[in-house]
Amino acid sequence: QQQVKQSPQSLIVQKGGISIINCAYENTAFDYFPWYQQFPGKGPALLIAIRPDVSEKKEGRFTISFNKSAKQFSLHIMDSQPGDSATYFCAARSVANNLFFGTGTRLTVIP
Amino acid sequence: EPEVTQTPSHQVTQMGQEVILRCVPISNHLYFYWYRQILGQKVEFLVSFYNNEISEKSEIFDDQFSVERPDGSNFTLKIRSTKLEDSAMYFCASSEGRQTQYFGPGTRLLVL
Repeated sequence: QQQVKQSPQSLIVQKGGISIINCAYENTAFDYFPWYQQFPGKGPALLIAIRPDVSEKKEGRFTISFNKSAKQFSLHIMDSQPGDSATYFCAARSVANNLFFGTGTRLTVIP
Repeated sequence: EPEVTQTPSHQVTQMGQEVILRCVPISNHLYFYWYRQILGQKVEFLVSFYNNEISEKSEIFDDQFSVERPDGSNFTLKIRSTKLEDSAMYFCASSEGRQTQYFGPGTRLLVL
């Protein structure tokens, strides 16, 4: 029940296009849903996060959409750029303040 | 901008040897964590630490693992007798409270 399912595993998008990554969870006690961006050889870096009482959060080109009833949330990257090429992880925070990560999506933005 | 630092960046060890991975969390943070990432896989929670004791640990964190905050700045992960399957990237993270967790750059551990 602590699992977070993420799809797709990999994604190739043209420069300027929209990248969409989806996640789903089971545990309704999760109370915070961050997205992390990871470049090769680096640690995960927080990109954007949302709480379950909000349906959407936008920061620049990055938007999280959250559907509490469906227990799903997604990351949209507008106007995708080659510099966005990285692995993206969704995560969910438990009551004990630990993060459970999805399996990751490797995004490649083609110039 | 404050950041979590980790040393060493790479560690190669023989199976059965003890290793200590070191982390310096962000200075005003009170919650500390260790995660690991086996090559090509997801990041997995190992242990959380608050107020000088373990708050939570996963099933991965067996009695071969231990954590310590030996002084006011360092946070360490010790693996007593390493196994081949301990080869992974180990990330330290810290948070101020129930806030964003900030990750360090990781230590790549290779057990031969």
